[in-house]
Amino acid sequence: EAQVTQNPRYLITVTGKKLTVTCSQNMNHEYMSWYRQDPGLGLRQIYYSMNVEVTDKGDVPEGYKVSRKEKRNFPLILESPSPNQTSLYFCASSQPTSGRFTGELFFGEGSRLTVL
Amino acid sequence: RKEVEQDPGPFNVPEGATVAFNCTYSNSASQSFFWYRQDCRKEPKLLMSVYSSGNEDGRFTAQLNRASQYISLLIRDSKLSDSATYLCAVNLNTGGFKTIFGAGTRLFVKA
Repeated sequence: EAQVTQNPRYLITVTGKKLTVTCSQNMNHEYMSWYRQDPGLGLRQIYYSMNVEVTDKGDVPEGYKVSRKEKRNFPLILESPSPNQTSLYFCASSQPTSGRFTGELFFGEGSRLTVL
Repeated sequence: RKEVEQDPGPFNVPEGATVAFNCTYSNSASQSFFWYRQDCRKEPKLLMSVYSSGNEDGRFTAQLNRASQYISLLIRDSKLSDSATYLCAVNLNTGGFKTIFGAGTRLFVKA
């Protein structure tokens, strides 16, 4: 089954304790992205990756890091989480058609993070 | 001004009603457009792409107006199961690949 898998799905942590949210897709997609979703603000892009070893900042990258060492994985790292990073996080992937990205995003089920 | 704006609603409609949502975007370089559906606390899922010529999928019709920079979604014969949040999304191919979402429009369909 084609899917994007995120872990953990739920996490409560404390300020400053490093954490990683993993994301894996089995569709051989080149493009992967992380979003956070907050009430009234919608989905905001954190980082994206066009392919292995190619990553770039989205609209809200502060406090986050990513890596893309393999095509299927795109972990999101919070080196020193703070309460304002409490949010619902989504990983997504997409694949270009005929060399162009069509833009259809396939999302993981989301990871709800609470930072105390 | 937000790059992509939607009326947050909620829209409360009876079953069988026709309801329409609009979404405006500010970047004239926007290249492709989508409507996603998101159920409560779940991931967004693509509902339909929006083409310049307009497109229809069953009870759903999407339209694009590039001159006025908005896209629309029309739902006919609303069902209870249509209750969800509808997100519009705009893609910018600016060297990278950026998808910007609106904050969503909440729809409640009541019996």
